[in-house]
Amino acid sequence: AQSVTQPDIHITVSEGASLELRCNYSYGATPYLFWYVQSPGQGLQLLLKYFSGDTLVQGIKGFEAEFKRSQSSFNLRKPSVHWSDAAEYFCAVLNYGQNFVFGPGTRLSVLP
Amino acid sequence: DSGVTQTPKHLITATGQRVTLRCSPRSGDLSVYWYQQSLDQGLQFLIQYYNGEERAKGNILERFSAQQFPDLHSELNLSSLELGDSALYFCASSHKAGANTGELFFGEGSRLTVL
Repeated sequence: AQSVTQPDIHITVSEGASLELRCNYSYGATPYLFWYVQSPGQGLQLLLKYFSGDTLVQGIKGFEAEFKRSQSSFNLRKPSVHWSDAAEYFCAVLNYGQNFVFGPGTRLSVLP
Repeated sequence: DSGVTQTPKHLITATGQRVTLRCSPRSGDLSVYWYQQSLDQGLQFLIQYYNGEERAKGNILERFSAQQFPDLHSELNLSSLELGDSALYFCASSHKAGANTGELFFGEGSRLTVL
């Protein structure tokens, strides 16, 4: 069965620092890959998605993610974190004919 | 605003009771998904409907049921509630049923507390 792992439960960075959130998936074929963000008290919002093509995808709020087939990874990055980026981040996969599978999430805290 | 509306936002009830959570998808979206989010289980897929028909079933308990009505709104019924059912229940919608579903649009959730 396909699965998604996010090795970091909680990450703390200083405002202005760079950020990388890790995501690894387990599936035989290349799935569709997503990153969602959940702000406190809110539902999940899509940051970006990868279906095919260029392995570096750009998303909203200055985020980007890189798909690496050899590592089964889809890590999320941001060059300079803002205080408003503090939230929970979920990686998700969707394979053809299947449903979305979400990772456990990584909580991001931002220090002033 | 995602366009997905969930009611109620908060609900407190007692063990053994039954509740109904309601979801109105984005205009034009045919698929509705229900997810349960708890601290120990994370975001768990419960069930999906597409244009009124059940499309996929996840980790949904037999005490729980759902349906999607002709106007495409959906209801999640939770019965014989237990303390462990306390969670945030999300509804999400998308336009297509399966592959190339693309983006899921999430509501703000219904927080259920079972006392």
